[in-house]
Amino acid sequence: SAVISQKPSRDICQRGTSLTIQCQVDSQVTMMFWYRQQPGQSLTLIATANQGSEATYESGFVIDKFPISRPNLTFSTLTVSNMSPEDSSIYLCSVGTVNTEAFFGQGTRLTVV
Amino acid sequence: AQSVTQLGSHVSVSEGALVLLRCNYSSSVPPYLFWYVQYPNQGLQLLLKYTSAATLVKGINGFEAEFKKSETSFHLTKPSAHMSDAAEYFCAVSDPPGGYNKLIFGAGTRLAVHP
Repeated sequence: SAVISQKPSRDICQRGTSLTIQCQVDSQVTMMFWYRQQPGQSLTLIATANQGSEATYESGFVIDKFPISRPNLTFSTLTVSNMSPEDSSIYLCSVGTVNTEAFFGQGTRLTVV
Repeated sequence: AQSVTQLGSHVSVSEGALVLLRCNYSSSVPPYLFWYVQYPNQGLQLLLKYTSAATLVKGINGFEAEFKKSETSFHLTKPSAHMSDAAEYFCAVSDPPGGYNKLIFGAGTRLAVHP
């Protein structure tokens, strides 16, 4: 299994600012994804982080709001830009390879005030 | 397009009672199906997965699920609930089908276990 380190684990941010969340994996993985879990809700896929190229965003999510980087096979970042209280959620990194199930980080609990 | 429906956002059982959490899926082709558990303030942990092999799948912590194609269901069961089973449970289907990683989640079922 993959060990995922997600930082920060939680943060309280002012509206209008940006927060960058890091996801570090202890081994090379093929796939990396970012999910959002709004309070009391299920998980919604934001985007697939592609190594060396632009991320693939799901409907309703745009690069200007959620820029993603993935410089190599073990690391990715998600930035939540120009935050509003509606962005208060748990953001989770998920990784996997072609033949394994998806593994999840502990999540970043974001509160925007 | 794939989708997952979990019937019952909250389920409450007594300790030692049967746990049954319901999941129905929609997929045009044979799917891969998963059950994940989320404990408070933690990430998701895989309980079990169906990947077109045996229809009865056994997972961790005494949980199992049965894939029923005719009913498009993948219900999660445990014969005897334990207090430590209290958590949020998510059913998920892979997108595209037959893949392991990119998932579509159901709304989740919060399981409460009473003494």
